[in-house]
Amino acid sequence: DTGVSQDPRHKITKRGQNVTFRCDPISEHNRLYWYRQTLGQGPEFLTYFQNEAQLEKSRLLSDRFSAERPKGSFSTLEIQRTEQGDSAMYLCASSPGLIHNQPQHFGDGTRLSIL
Amino acid sequence: DQQVKQNSPSLSVQEGRISILNCDYTNSMFDYFLWYKKYPAEGPTFLISISSIKDKNEDGRFTVFLNKSAKHLSLHIVPSQPGDSAVYFCAATEYGGSQGNLIFGKGTKLSVKP
Repeated sequence: DTGVSQDPRHKITKRGQNVTFRCDPISEHNRLYWYRQTLGQGPEFLTYFQNEAQLEKSRLLSDRFSAERPKGSFSTLEIQRTEQGDSAMYLCASSPGLIHNQPQHFGDGTRLSIL
Repeated sequence: DQQVKQNSPSLSVQEGRISILNCDYTNSMFDYFLWYKKYPAEGPTFLISISSIKDKNEDGRFTVFLNKSAKHLSLHIVPSQPGDSAVYFCAATEYGGSQGNLIFGKGTKLSVKP
């Protein structure tokens, strides 16, 4: 079991730049979730995929954010025209999906810092 | 409006004693509850969960209790060990009717002193 893998672990960029993060879920997990965590808060849901279909988006996911899971395996999260408020830890999680009451397993996250 | 609340930001206990972490929720549609542990610079690690059809679930030193009428759950760690020092997050979801995204509390930082 290789677990959920996220890349990069850290990203520092200037305001206005675009950034892209990658998540590799546990193999054969159908569901993939993106969360954002800021200091002193718990993770907050952004969006999720069932296989390659993006089925839900949080109101936190502004139009500058886009997520894909093209072949139902890895996923990418892109933030365009980054802003100071985008500084956070971006977490990816996966679960078996169609089986109820199965926990989500998280990666170690990508920490984004906007200068 | 916070649907999952952890009202104690921190808790300090002595090694070998019991740690009790509490969590309250407001959404009566939640039917699956989880506890995660988080070390600095790592993602949350799943600890233990409980379905709303149960009131107790045990896994080794960890026990989760659910009181649906009070909309309250707690995590008991017995005996506490220094390696348990971490931030603990309570999470809840409504698997029955939705996509299963988790709603998290703000976390409780547990310090276990040797």
